[in-house]
Amino acid sequence: SAVISQKPSRDICQRGTSLTIQCQVDSQVTMMFWYRQQPGQSLTLIATANQGSEATYESGFVIDKFPISRPNLTFSTLTVSNMSPEDSSIYLCSFTPGTGLTEQYFGPGTRLTVT
Amino acid sequence: KNQVEQSPQSLIILEGKNCTLQCNYTVSPFSNLRWYKQDTGRGPVSLTIMTFSENTKSNGRYTATLDADTKQSSLHITASQLSDSASYICVVRGGWMDSSYKLIFGSGTRLLVRP
Repeated sequence: SAVISQKPSRDICQRGTSLTIQCQVDSQVTMMFWYRQQPGQSLTLIATANQGSEATYESGFVIDKFPISRPNLTFSTLTVSNMSPEDSSIYLCSFTPGTGLTEQYFGPGTRLTVT
Repeated sequence: KNQVEQSPQSLIILEGKNCTLQCNYTVSPFSNLRWYKQDTGRGPVSLTIMTFSENTKSNGRYTATLDADTKQSSLHITASQLSDSASYICVVRGGWMDSSYKLIFGSGTRLLVRP
């Protein structure tokens, strides 16, 4: 199965600062996704990161707050900008090898705490 | 509104016992239903994927059932082990008319297996 990794695994940041999370996949994939998982909650899709085009954001998430880069088919970054304590969460990247009945793989997550 | 609801919210069982987790969904049109296991501090890992034509699918001690008519699914865990302690998330993917690549997540059932 494909390997997906994230850096950093966790961080503690001060409010007002920004953090960039990196996601690396060991094979080329078309679709990559970024999710947020708040404490005790399930996953919420932030955006879909497509290579060669701008990310598609879900309702409630905007590019200025969560800029995403997708420079190639194996890598993506999510930046959490101008952080506040409400941004404390686990951020997960994910990918699917194709469409339809295909597996969706998740990274180990980045645990962010904003003080 | 497309929703996935899981019950119970949490469950404690003794090692070696069986348990069944429930999932009800209102997603339409329906493409497939997935059960994921999420260990603390890890990303979700897929256990099963089922389409509307599949009633039962097993993965070791995990058996998922699907009733597409009543829009219900269950995950049965046999002879539980301490390592089964995790959150179990029911996820439904909508059909092509419903933003093809979106997965709709349930809030999960937190299972604790005690010795």
